[in-house]
Amino acid sequence: KAGVTQTPRYLIKTRGQQVTLSCSPISGHRSVSWYQQTPGQGLQFLFEYFSETQRNKGNFPGRFSGRQFSNSRSEMNVSTLELGDSALYLCASTPGQTATDTQYFGPGTRLTVL
Amino acid sequence: QKEVEQDPGPLSVPEGAIVSLNCTYSNSAFQYFMWYRQYSRKGPELLMYTYSSGNKEDGRFTAQVDKSSKYISLFIRDSQPSDSATYLCAPNQGGKLIFGQGTELSVKP
Repeated sequence: KAGVTQTPRYLIKTRGQQVTLSCSPISGHRSVSWYQQTPGQGLQFLFEYFSETQRNKGNFPGRFSGRQFSNSRSEMNVSTLELGDSALYLCASTPGQTATDTQYFGPGTRLTVL
Repeated sequence: QKEVEQDPGPLSVPEGAIVSLNCTYSNSAFQYFMWYRQYSRKGPELLMYTYSSGNKEDGRFTAQVDKSSKYISLFIRDSQPSDSATYLCAPNQGGKLIFGQGTELSVKP
């Protein structure tokens, strides 16, 4: 079974721009969660989508948004980029049936904001 | 104060050593506790998880939770160079993983 895939793997943007990251979950998984990883703050939960609906949300500003499509693929968008948004963005998928399902992570998208 | 505190290390040990990795947490409602391992330039992968207080063993790895003191531990026996990675504790809060900072471990041959 193919793992979680994320595209692109690397991205460079400038302040003020917006960016869209994509995540394809493991086949059959209906839940996708997004996390931000930085050296200072570590791994922080952004949000979770299940069956095209946001089911859980972390403490990030409204500039961070996401969506999920009917095939369970998910995108996250960051608008008006700031230098502090430079990070590794990870997505994780689970079957979504229970809160304790194992979360399988993708390799991440490394975003650099200049 | 962060919900989950973990000493970031780095921790360097010789091959064959017993490694102890620890976290403390503040939310007494946490019931499921995960340990993830992250190699450089990779996403985290689940090592093991425990439910409530107690021990769980899987090969060379033992996870331990003491809910009375809000303390989580991971022990690695007979450590190998291939164990060199960052180890992250992560209580599961209704599907949301609350990660510690991660401890960078290096096992020297």
